[in-house]
Amino acid sequence: AIQLTQSPSSLSASVGDRVSVTCRTSQGINSALAWYQQKPGKAPKLLIYDASSLESGVPARFSGSVSGTDFTLTITSLQPEDSATYYCQEFDSFSLTFGGGTRVDI
Amino acid sequence: DVQLVESGGTLVQPGGSLRLSCAASGFTFTNYWMHWVRQGPGKGLEWVSRTNSDGSSTTYADSVKGRFTISRDNAKNTLHLQMNSLRVEDTAVYYCVRVRRGTSYFDSWGQGTLVTVSS
Repeated sequence: AIQLTQSPSSLSASVGDRVSVTCRTSQGINSALAWYQQKPGKAPKLLIYDASSLESGVPARFSGSVSGTDFTLTITSLQPEDSATYYCQEFDSFSLTFGGGTRVDI
Repeated sequence: DVQLVESGGTLVQPGGSLRLSCAASGFTFTNYWMHWVRQGPGKGLEWVSRTNSDGSSTTYADSVKGRFTISRDNAKNTLHLQMNSLRVEDTAVYYCVRVRRGTSYFDSWGQGTLVTVSS
């Protein structure tokens, strides 16, 4: 199964900062990767799919990119409501994998 | 609006069994693949199982294979997860999740139901 390695595991930033979270895959998966945001006590929410497509209703300060096996979620101009844990997710023919998560504190 | 409402979570002893249900509404249930995803206390997300739109094809994570069974009743718009031989490490919030058609992305999640396995 494909492994997803997220980094960092946590970060602290200020309102207005630009932050990036990386998800490295153990093998190439084309662009079949999504990013989710989860706030405490809530279900995850889809932010980005196909590596760089913004889900409807998600603020444009969220973006995704890919370079080889490194996928990046970037939040420009961080807002207080962006405090959450972020997960990457991929799917291959046999199973589905989540990254370990990145906690973003503001 | 899409709604997924899980039920059935409770405290159960190791070795016991439990059946979770997920009532779906607000969309044509028969058109969508459905999954179960779980999250242990203070832990990350773990995919558990999936079923295709008519229930004829199912897949499981290695951690639950042979113990859990996913099924669906399309006449009642309901997804189930039968969990047998439960272990302490199965303790988690279990989410019922809808997959966007033609993709493997989760576009709708239930609120989750807590399963606690403890003696």
